[in-house]
Amino acid sequence: DAGVIQSPRHEVTEMGQEVTLRCKPISGHDYLFWYRQTMMRGLELLIYFNNNVPIDDSGMPEDRFSAKMPNASFSTLKIQPSEPRDSAVYFCASSPGQGWNAEAFFGQGTRLTVV
Amino acid sequence: GEDVEQSLFLSVREGDSSVINCTYTDSSSTYLYWYKQEPGAGLQLLTYIFSNMDMKQDQRLTVLLNKKDKHLSLRIADTQTGDSAIYFCAESNSGGYNKLIFGAGTRLAVHP
Repeated sequence: DAGVIQSPRHEVTEMGQEVTLRCKPISGHDYLFWYRQTMMRGLELLIYFNNNVPIDDSGMPEDRFSAKMPNASFSTLKIQPSEPRDSAVYFCASSPGQGWNAEAFFGQGTRLTVV
Repeated sequence: GEDVEQSLFLSVREGDSSVINCTYTDSSSTYLYWYKQEPGAGLQLLTYIFSNMDMKQDQRLTVLLNKKDKHLSLRIADTQTGDSAIYFCAESNSGGYNKLIFGAGTRLAVHP
């Protein structure tokens, strides 16, 4: 398996535009996570899914952020409208299960810059 | 609530041992993890420890857990320049859904 695949690797957009980040988890993993990393806040959990169902979205900053997982092999994180303070590296991770098997495998991340 | 804290920076000389510390607040934490992030990359799991263990050793890595004080440490023996990275402590519990809570990360700089 190629690991967790995120696209694009880099995104530069203007304030107010819609941004969509994409993630393909590792096949067979039941959990999918979206994290945001900034210098100020470190690594924050935004939302996670179990078997394509959103379980906890309490980390989503505001209504401008939405995430979907239409099937087991694809998830999106959308920001509409984007703002400069959304600039960060967004990571997607997937995990096969709970407990000792809870290792999260991370993608390379999408570096988002909103100007 | 859940919170994981780490010191932000650590600088060591090549060949010395590095000790990265972490404290957590959730007493129900069942598993504790150390992840490594190299520049421009995602996080990779280094090692994990179950909460009923005090110590775990894996080659150059030693994890110590003091459950009473909710303190976790990662010791890297014979630190090399390739160990320069950000190290994240994370916790989860198996009481419910899988959810990893990360610390802010400790940036380890190894100098000659």
